Amino acid sequence: GENVEQHPSTLSVQEGDSAVIKCTYSDSASNYFPWYKQELGKGPQLIIDIRSNVGEKKDQRIAVTLNKTAKHFSLHITETQPEDSAVYFCAARFQGAQKLVFGQGTRLTINP
Amino acid sequence: GAVVSQHPSWVICKSGTSVKIECRSLDFQATTMFWYRQFPKQSLMLMATSNEGSKATYEQGVEKDKFLINHASLTLSTLTVTSAHPEDSSFYICSGQSQETQYFGPGTRLLVL
Repeated sequence: GENVEQHPSTLSVQEGDSAVIKCTYSDSASNYFPWYKQELGKGPQLIIDIRSNVGEKKDQRIAVTLNKTAKHFSLHITETQPEDSAVYFCAARFQGAQKLVFGQGTRLTINP
Repeated sequence: GAVVSQHPSWVICKSGTSVKIECRSLDFQATTMFWYRQFPKQSLMLMATSNEGSKATYEQGVEKDKFLINHASLTLSTLTVTSAHPEDSSFYICSGQSQETQYFGPGTRLLVL
């Protein structure tokens, strides 16, 4: 069935270093892949998304890469800052569906 | 742009009572809205997809008679938890879809005593 696997579940990096979170999806026809950041007690906030016709997208310190052949996509955060600490969720929209299927989440901690 | 609000932000109720949660898209029209619930340290679990003017589509295992969803306008969807029980205590989050993108509300924390 439709499935998105996300790794790692927790990630701790030093301030200023880079963080990478990876996701794999099951349906090769998936066409839309957003990433959300969720701070404690708040709703998820869209930080970046990518569509299946693009291999990479960047927005300042955040980038997402997509490998359709391998069915995986990754979030890259460079020059991490304490305010980047949060839970990050990847998601995929499978072809023909309205809904998103979410990964299990990654708790990112930035150590000062 | 693309702001979604929820009301209330938190609610405490007695077991057996009903609770209504509102979800509004403030600066866009959302033909489709989604309702999720999230338990502590877990991912988002989709409960139902709501299209304006039609009946909601519930995910497997979600009781449609217990979680009533109404999407009467392009900017408002409501979730009513009927005959709430302690196991319904959770964080309920809605989202509105604008083009392909889902924008989430701030969530409603429900505690059933």
